[in-house]
Amino acid sequence: DAGVTQSPTHLIKTRGQHVTLRCSPISGHKSVSWYQQVLGQGPQFIFQYYEKEERGRGNFPDRFSARQFPNYSSELNVNALLLGDSALYLCASSLEGDQPQHFGDGTRLSIL
Amino acid sequence: GDSVTQMEGPVTLSEEAFLTINCTYTATGYPSLFWYVQYPGEGLQLLLKATKADDKGSNKGFEATYRKETTSFHLEKGSVQVSDSAVYFCALLTNTNAGKSTFGDGTTLTVKP
Repeated sequence: DAGVTQSPTHLIKTRGQHVTLRCSPISGHKSVSWYQQVLGQGPQFIFQYYEKEERGRGNFPDRFSARQFPNYSSELNVNALLLGDSALYLCASSLEGDQPQHFGDGTRLSIL
Repeated sequence: GDSVTQMEGPVTLSEEAFLTINCTYTATGYPSLFWYVQYPGEGLQLLLKATKADDKGSNKGFEATYRKETTSFHLEKGSVQVSDSAVYFCALLTNTNAGKSTFGDGTTLTVKP
């Protein structure tokens, strides 16, 4: 079975622009979570979606938003990009929210 | 809130040396504990897990035991290889914060031949 897939793998944007990152979970997984990983640190939780509903939100500004589609894929949107948004964005899926999470390879976002 | 503290790195070992990476946690509820490994340019791979006190997770020669009394989940391997060089993350997940894993800052392991 295919693992968690994320697209694009790399992205370069300038300050003030917006970006959409995409994630396809493992088949059958209903829970999708998004994390931001800044270089040299552990991943920080941004959002969790389950059955198309937001179930959790981390300490991130309203510039960050997400949604989950009927096929359980998900998008993370970030508006008004700042230099500090440069990071690896990871998507993780699990069968249920309290089950071990499986991570994709991430999208490396660079802000110039 | 939930938190995970890992031993500060980086850690450099010679091949076949014994590895220990310390991890302690603070959590509300009853956490499941995990070790993930991240190779350069890749996402996180689940290495092992333990879901309740005294459980031992193991995989690829790595082991960790869920110690509730000391709130610890230390990672060990008896004989490391060059291919084990990576960043290791300790993490927890609680049923009260489903879908939100809390991670330590990671420990970089370099194994030299």
